[in-house]
Amino acid sequence: DAGVIQSPRHEVTEMGQEVTLRCKPISGHDYLFWYRQTMMRGLELLIYFNNNVPIDDSGMPEDRFSAKMPNASFSTLKIQPSEPRDSAVYFCASSPGQGGGYTFGSGTRLTVV
Amino acid sequence: QKEVEQNSGPLSVPEGAIASLNCTYSDRVSQSFFWYRQYSGKSPELIMSIYSNGDKEDGRFTAQLNKASQYVSLLIRDSQPSDSATYLCAVKDFNKFYFGSGTKLNVKP
Repeated sequence: DAGVIQSPRHEVTEMGQEVTLRCKPISGHDYLFWYRQTMMRGLELLIYFNNNVPIDDSGMPEDRFSAKMPNASFSTLKIQPSEPRDSAVYFCASSPGQGGGYTFGSGTRLTVV
Repeated sequence: QKEVEQNSGPLSVPEGAIASLNCTYSDRVSQSFFWYRQYSGKSPELIMSIYSNGDKEDGRFTAQLNKASQYVSLLIRDSQPSDSATYLCAVKDFNKFYFGSGTKLNVKP
């Protein structure tokens, strides 16, 4: 299995631009999670899906952030408009469900200038 | 919101020594506990899980859980320079993981 695949690996964008991060979970994993990691705040859960349905988006910082999972093999996290404080590493992770841990993707390092 | 506390370190140990990493959590209901290792610039990778009080061993790693004290630890025996990384403690609540801020471990040759 190729693991959780994220793209792009790095993204540099100007403030105000739209940013879209992509994730392909491990086949057969029913749960997909989006996390953000910064030095100041560590790993923060933004949103998670179960069987393509958003279950908990309480971690999404504000309306500028949105996430979708149109099918079991693809999810996006969109930031519009982006701001410098959104600069972070964004991780996608998937899990087969009850019990067990997550498998993380390689992450997307986002820099908003 | 669950609180997961770790000493940020860095924890420095000489090669071959035992490294002891500690974590406390706020919620007595939590049932599942995990340790992740994160190398600089890389993603977290799962190294241990523990669900019951006591010790769980896997190679050079031992996880210890004390639910009454709300405490979980990770021991690394015969530490190697390649163990130098940040170790994240995670507590699972239903399907959500709450992560500590991590302890940075330096193993000196």
